[in-house]
Amino acid sequence: AQSVTQPDIHITVSEGASLELRCNYSYGATPYLFWYVQSPGQGLQLLLKYFSGDTLVQGIKGFEAEFKRSQSSFNLRKPSVHWSDAAEYFCAVVTFPGFQKLVFGTGTRLLVSP
Amino acid sequence: EAGVTQFPSHSVIEKGQTVTLRCDPISGHDNLYWYRRVMGKEIKFLLHFVKESKQDESGMPNNRFLAERTGGTYSTLKVQPAELEDSGVYFCASSLGQGGHEQYFGPGTRLTVT
Repeated sequence: AQSVTQPDIHITVSEGASLELRCNYSYGATPYLFWYVQSPGQGLQLLLKYFSGDTLVQGIKGFEAEFKRSQSSFNLRKPSVHWSDAAEYFCAVVTFPGFQKLVFGTGTRLLVSP
Repeated sequence: EAGVTQFPSHSVIEKGQTVTLRCDPISGHDNLYWYRRVMGKEIKFLLHFVKESKQDESGMPNNRFLAERTGGTYSTLKVQPAELEDSGVYFCASSLGQGGHEQYFGPGTRLTVT
């Protein structure tokens, strides 16, 4: 069965510093991969997604992610973090066959220090 | 355009009571999903509607959970009778299509069973 691992439960980054959130997946074929963010009191918002093609994907809010098949990873990056980026981030994969339901990792909570 | 809405935002009930959660998807979205996050764990799929039909209910924990989507519009998720382990955040999402189509999430309903 497909699974997603986010090894970091919490990460603290200084404002202006770079960010990388880790995501590893278990899946036999080329996966459909997603990163969602949940800010306090809000629903999950899609940051970016990867289906095929260019392995470096650009998303909203200045985020990008790189798909690395050899490492089964889809890490999320941002070159300079803003205080408003403090939130919980979820990596997810869509199951096959059917491509219907999302399988999520446990999430990484990002804290931004001044 | 209104997003996915969920009601109530919070619910506190006693073990053995009944609770009904409601989700209003984005207008025109035939696909509606329910997910649940138990504290400290990953967000898990419960079920998927296409219009009024249950496409996949493989994630429903047991027969104390009943989901409906009458008329293919809003959906309800009833828990009867509630148990302590049902506590968590229940998310609803909707999408225009399946597979790679973005699932738009509501803010969730936080259910606490005491």
